[in-house]
This record gives sequence, C-alpha cells and structure tokens, in this order.
Amino acid sequence: AQSVTQPDIHITVSEGASLELRCNYSYGATPYLFWYVQSPGQGLQLLLKYFSGDTLVQGIKGFEAEFKRSQSSFNLRKPSVHWSDAAEYFCAVGAAGGFKTIFGAGTRLFVKA
Amino acid sequence: NAGVTQTPKFRVLKTGQSMTLLCAQDMNHEYMYWYRQDPGMGLRLIHYSVGEGTTAKGEVPDGYNVSRLKKQNFLLGLESAAPSQTSVYFCASSFATAGVAKNIQYFGAGTRLSVL
Repeated sequence: AQSVTQPDIHITVSEGASLELRCNYSYGATPYLFWYVQSPGQGLQLLLKYFSGDTLVQGIKGFEAEFKRSQSSFNLRKPSVHWSDAAEYFCAVGAAGGFKTIFGAGTRLFVKA
Repeated sequence: NAGVTQTPKFRVLKTGQSMTLLCAQDMNHEYMYWYRQDPGMGLRLIHYSVGEGTTAKGEVPDGYNVSRLKKQNFLLGLESAAPSQTSVYFCASSFATAGVAKNIQYFGAGTRLSVL
C-alpha cells in the first residue's frame, strides 16, 4: 500500500539558514511526488511536483526537492529561509495514471529571527 | 478567479445535530474531494467524486454523506454529529486529464468544525 512518512513533526530554523524537510514514501512503482505548503488558516498550495525526468525539481518560493529512488525519498530544501516560510509542509504521493493522493502527516516549520 | 470556495469557515455543533458543508469550484474540474485534517495525521480522504452525479468512499467515510448534483459543487453532510468529527475539513478539486495534472489538487481554505 502507498504511504508517506515525514519523520519530523516540527523543525525550527533561523532566518537565513538552510532548510531540509524529509519525506520517505512507499510505493510499488514510480510515483508522482508532491510537496504542498499550508499557511495558517489557509488551504494547501502546491510547491512542486515530480513525475519523471530530472530528479531535482524546482518549485515556487525558492524551494527545490530531490527524488532519490534508491532511498525512496523526496526531501524538500531551501538554501535560505525567510520568516514568511513558517508554515506546515506536506509531502504527498500519487499513483501514475490515478488521481488519489496520499498525504504525509506534515512538518511544521518555525522560523526564528 | 475564486478557485475553490468552502462555506462556512467555522461552525460549532452540538452532538446529534446535522449540517452540510458546501464546496464550490470555478475551474471546471471533474474530480472533487473532501478531506479531514487532524493533528499529527495529515489529510485523510473522506469521500470523492469523479464527475457530476458520482461519489465514492475514501479512507474515513463513516458518519458522512456527500452529493455532487452539479459539476461545480460538492456537498459534505453530517447527519448526526459526534465529538469525533471535530476537525478541519478541506475540499479540493483536480482535472481529469491524463498525466500528472490529474494528481494536482487545488484546495479551499477549510472549515473548522467543533462538535460539543
């Protein structure tokens, strides 16, 4: 069965520091992979997606993620965090050819000045 | 362009009361979804619809009913609310086209429901 694991419930980083949020997935074939961001009181917004090709994908707001098949991971990174990046981040996996998406439990990011 | 709109934004119910949550999308999406979000559990799919007049059960359908009488609207009903249904509810929609677009979901801002 498909599953998504985000090992970190919350992470605190200093403004200007680099960020990496971890995501591991379980899926029998090549999945579609996503990162969504949820700002307080808002719905989820797509940050980036991977479905084929280059394993390093760029997203909005300066985020990137790298698909590593051998590690079943899709970690999200940002070189320099801004205070406005404080939010909850969800990793998700979808089946190629399907439409249902499985979401991880989320990682809440706190940014300190 | 409004995207996905959910009403109401907040609601408090007493145990046993009923209510309907409305989701409306203006992107002509075929697929629509209802999720609930609980701390530490991410989003769990309640029901979904692949087109007007069709609905199907998701991961946690018990205690909920849905209807999709019009393509742009997807209603979630609670017939007899229970405290376990206290949660934040999100509606989402997506295209039905082939490829990854089918998996990209657009979310509403959520409805925060408390059942006392």
